[in-house]
Amino acid sequence: EAGVTQSPTHLIKTRGQQATLRCSPISGHTSVYWYQQALGLGLQFLLWYDEGEERNRGNFPPRFSGRQFPNYSSELNVNALELEDSALYLCASSLFRGGPNTGELFFGEGSRLTVL
Amino acid sequence: SQQGEEDPQALSIQEGENATMNCSYKTSINNLQWYRQNSGRGLVHLILIRSNEREKHSGRLRVTLDTSKKSSSLLITASRAADTASYFCATELSNAGGTSYGKLTFGQGTILTVHP
Repeated sequence: EAGVTQSPTHLIKTRGQQATLRCSPISGHTSVYWYQQALGLGLQFLLWYDEGEERNRGNFPPRFSGRQFPNYSSELNVNALELEDSALYLCASSLFRGGPNTGELFFGEGSRLTVL
Repeated sequence: SQQGEEDPQALSIQEGENATMNCSYKTSINNLQWYRQNSGRGLVHLILIRSNEREKHSGRLRVTLDTSKKSSSLLITASRAADTASYFCATELSNAGGTSYGKLTFGQGTILTVHP
């Protein structure tokens, strides 16, 4: 069974440009999560999508946005790129069925975004 | 500040020794999870312990949870060079209605180096 896949693996952009990152969850998983891992800052929660809807959002500006498609894959868009957006962007999926626990997250290998 | 704080920040041991990493958190939680990350790659789930559990085992891993002290520990016994990685604890909260926020809050991680 395929794991969580992310593309592209690496992406180089310049300040002010837009970046689009993509994620395909494990088959059967309806929840997709996005995290940012910048150097020295640990993992920061960005977004949670479940059944096509945004369920929660982390403390990031509106230029970070995304969506989840009917096949549960997801896209993260970062507009007006800034130097500090350089980071590893990790996508994860889970078999969330409501309730208090999302349970185990299955992570992809990440997309490394470099902003010059 | 981060919900989870790992201690120590870095740990260097010899193969065959045990490695203990600690995690402290600030608020009540639903569950606490431990993840492993090999250099610059995706995270791999190790173990999940619920708030009503005190100890869990998985192979060479032993996790304890003390909700009164808001702390957890991860013990890796008989460590191997292949255990070299960063280890993160992550906590999960739910809202007053008992539904997950879908957000894991990660600590800064412990960098474990196991020397052959």
